Amino acid sequence: QQQVKQSPQSLIVQKGGISIINCAYENTAFDYFPWYQQFPGKGPALLIAIRPDVSEKKEGRFTISFNKSAKQFSLHIMDSQPGDSATYFCAACGFQKLVFGTGTRLLVSP
Amino acid sequence: DGGITQSPKYLFRKEGQNVTLSCEQNLNHDAMYWYRQDPGQGLRLIYYSQIVNDFQKGDIAEGYSVSREKKESFPLTVTSAQKNPTAFYLCASSGTSGTLDTRYFGPGTRLTVL
Repeated sequence: QQQVKQSPQSLIVQKGGISIINCAYENTAFDYFPWYQQFPGKGPALLIAIRPDVSEKKEGRFTISFNKSAKQFSLHIMDSQPGDSATYFCAACGFQKLVFGTGTRLLVSP
Repeated sequence: DGGITQSPKYLFRKEGQNVTLSCEQNLNHDAMYWYRQDPGQGLRLIYYSQIVNDFQKGDIAEGYSVSREKKESFPLTVTSAQKNPTAFYLCASSGTSGTLDTRYFGPGTRLTVL
């Protein structure tokens, strides 16, 4: 019940394309869903986050879509750029416990 | 500059040796965490501390120890009892805004056992 399932494990997208990463959770006690971006050799950094009382949040080229009934949420990167190449982690937070997905390695080809 | 510093960036250890990884934060956060990252396994919680002089085991605490004598510092010791210590270790701290928990990560320490 504490797992967050993330897919795909890796993703290759052409420059200018849309990158989509999906996550699913089981525990309905989770009430905060952040996404982290990690470049090689660096620590993860908070990218964007959403509360379950909204269905979508957009910040620049990054959008989280949230489906509370399906217990799924996804990250969309519009107009993907080579600089977006990184590992992305979804996470779910509840009762001060943060559970991470297993990560998606994104490569945006020029 | 506010943030989390970890040292060293790279660390090599011989089998059977204990080694301590440093983590310092100047964000005035009460909570601090240690994670281990292995390829394809995401981030796994080793230990966490929500207040000075108190800490709890995470999901994979065996073979590790911590201390929290100061709010700013949360060192992690990888003991010889840890069977497979080669990994990327990440320290994090969090400040909460209402019920939200935003975790800030340090740059990591890559530990290699020779």
